[in-house]
Amino acid sequence: EAGVTQFPSHSVIEKGQTVTLRCDPISGHDNLYWYRRVMGKEIKFLLHFVKESKQDESGMPNNRFLAERTGGTYSTLKVQPAELEDSGVYFCASSQARGFNEQFFGPGTRLTVL
Amino acid sequence: ILNVEQSPQSLHVQEGDSTNFTCSFPSSNFYALHWYRWETAKSPEALFVMTLNGDEKKKGRISATLNTKEGYSYLYIKGSQPEDSATYLCALNTGGFKTIFGAGTRLFVKA
Repeated sequence: EAGVTQFPSHSVIEKGQTVTLRCDPISGHDNLYWYRRVMGKEIKFLLHFVKESKQDESGMPNNRFLAERTGGTYSTLKVQPAELEDSGVYFCASSQARGFNEQFFGPGTRLTVL
Repeated sequence: ILNVEQSPQSLHVQEGDSTNFTCSFPSSNFYALHWYRWETAKSPEALFVMTLNGDEKKKGRISATLNTKEGYSYLYIKGSQPEDSATYLCALNTGGFKTIFGAGTRLFVKA
């Protein structure tokens, strides 16, 4: 079974540019999450999709961040325009809607904004 | 605001040493606790899901205990090996789908 995949693995952009991150969850997982880890700090929740619907987007830092999951399969997270403080590792995770919500993580996208 | 605290922030040990670190969480909000092992550029790997007070789980040389009444979990590594070097993350599930992570303990094992 393929795990959660994320693309790209690294992205280096300049302040003011736009970047789009992609996440492909495990097939059949309705729940998809985005998280961000700024260096040395905790992994912070950004938002949660159930299929194509945003269940909880309370962690999205501001309106420069836009997440979509059209069709309920893969998801994208767009940052526009990027700021220096957006640098970090963006993780995606997916889970099935049962049990204790064990989440399976992708390898993350390391975003550097210069 | 719920906080999950992990200590120490980093730890340097010699190969063969046994080590342990702590995850603290608000006991009133407990539903489940997850431990993950994360190597940079790889996916965080699930180690344990702990749900009951007094739970003890073991996977090879790694084990974990849980005290939900006082709000802490310990992760133990017996006979550390260089390949154990990683960041160990704990995450609190308060019910539903939201998960709150600690900042992690970065373990360095020197050969």
